[in-house]
Amino acid sequence: DSGVTQTPKHLITATGQRVTLRCSPRSGDLSVYWYQQSLDQGLQFLIQYYNGEERAKGNILERFSAQQFPDLHSELNLSSLELGDSALYFCASSVNGRGGNTIYFGEGSWLTVV
Amino acid sequence: GIQVEQSPPDLILQEGANSTLRCNFSDSVNNLQWFHQNPWGQLINLFYIPSGTKQNGRLSATTVATERYSLLYISSSQTTDSGVYFCAPKRSGAGSYQLTFGKGTKLSVIP
Repeated sequence: DSGVTQTPKHLITATGQRVTLRCSPRSGDLSVYWYQQSLDQGLQFLIQYYNGEERAKGNILERFSAQQFPDLHSELNLSSLELGDSALYFCASSVNGRGGNTIYFGEGSWLTVV
Repeated sequence: GIQVEQSPPDLILQEGANSTLRCNFSDSVNNLQWFHQNPWGQLINLFYIPSGTKQNGRLSATTVATERYSLLYISSSQTTDSGVYFCAPKRSGAGSYQLTFGKGTKLSVIP
């Protein structure tokens, strides 16, 4: 158990819908990362937050957005869903925002768009 | 960004055999982690190893940062070692905060 909690574990939704994935970081960790794992693209970095502020942005679509709340949990919002958004979404956390320490991953949220 | 190449892409082993997985990266790093993704999709931290050598049971890892590669050794493999092994370095220097994943090595251990 990494200490990073993600919900829901599995989600099936229809095209055009909107979903929210939730992440609670390890106790004491200030930084949260979101990654997407799809069959064709592998594990891709989406976005990072540190202590409530956006720190780095990767290959995140405009239809996707995220935020980190004062209690440090984070949410990834996916809207106007397409079949190609079906993937495993990981949240990860680390104690600081510079990435030089161990980064711990949650168990992921499986999203299926039908 | 940093380029990450893992080899071999696929590996089939008989139970009890040893193996070495390699990760080459294109830039200097201040973080490198090895992960095992099991058949259920969980990403399990194996090592945090930006440099040097570490051992954990039947697994060990070595990173030679100056030559830009890392190795993961699996000894006396077991069927539970099956899955995909990822190397994920983080480029050192300003403006880089996240791990970049290689495409992985898919390991199948057969009884």
